Amino acid sequence: QSVLTQPPSASGTPGQRVTISCSGSSSNIEINTVNWYQQLPGTAPKLLISSNNHRPSGVPDRFSGSKSGASASLAISGLQSEDEADYYCAAWDDTLHGPVFGGGTKLTVL
Amino acid sequence: EVQLVESGGVVVQPGGSLRLSCAASGFTFDDYTMHWVRQAPGKGLEWVSLISWNGGSIYYADSVKGRFTISRDNSKNSLDLQMNSLRTEDTALYYCAREQNLGTLDYWGQGTLVTVSS
Repeated sequence: QSVLTQPPSASGTPGQRVTISCSGSSSNIEINTVNWYQQLPGTAPKLLISSNNHRPSGVPDRFSGSKSGASASLAISGLQSEDEADYYCAAWDDTLHGPVFGGGTKLTVL
Repeated sequence: EVQLVESGGVVVQPGGSLRLSCAASGFTFDDYTMHWVRQAPGKGLEWVSLISWNGGSIYYADSVKGRFTISRDNSKNSLDLQMNSLRTEDTALYYCAREQNLGTLDYWGQGTLVTVSS
């Protein structure tokens, strides 16, 4: 059972906008920033969004993040086939003294 | 170019021990906190352990506390994970990762596979 809660799956058609939610608690998301990782099939995770809404160099601006209270969300606009991947939210947890992850959301591009 | 290369993953029997290593290059290793994160087959990511730049702060997930030991050798740009009393549920791909700040993992290795099975 993951500390952060994400829907197991999401889907959309090319060009659509999809959002993935992430719910945490007062020891993690509510008091710390949220990161999102993208894991393409057979590869290592890659940092997609840091500090709630910052895109590292090279990440398209189709990806955006937001946070409110103990919840966060990842939005992907102009969905493309290459966006098909697993997406994980994460945040530092002050009780566990480490980062905690969501269970991951498998995004399917129909 | 930042590179993290894990090694040491093998098949081991329950109760056995194993030492994983991560060779870092392309950045000033002793400027960064380093982490181990694992992923069981077909499952999500699970944080395992972290060690600060000088080894002064070390933390473990409850699932491995008392069995795993993280260490680093800044003179060799290397990160290790000593795994004892291994259980079948420790079977996973183990990644080392560099921390940008407060748990933000900005670079990951490709992982090394540990299989605990009789």
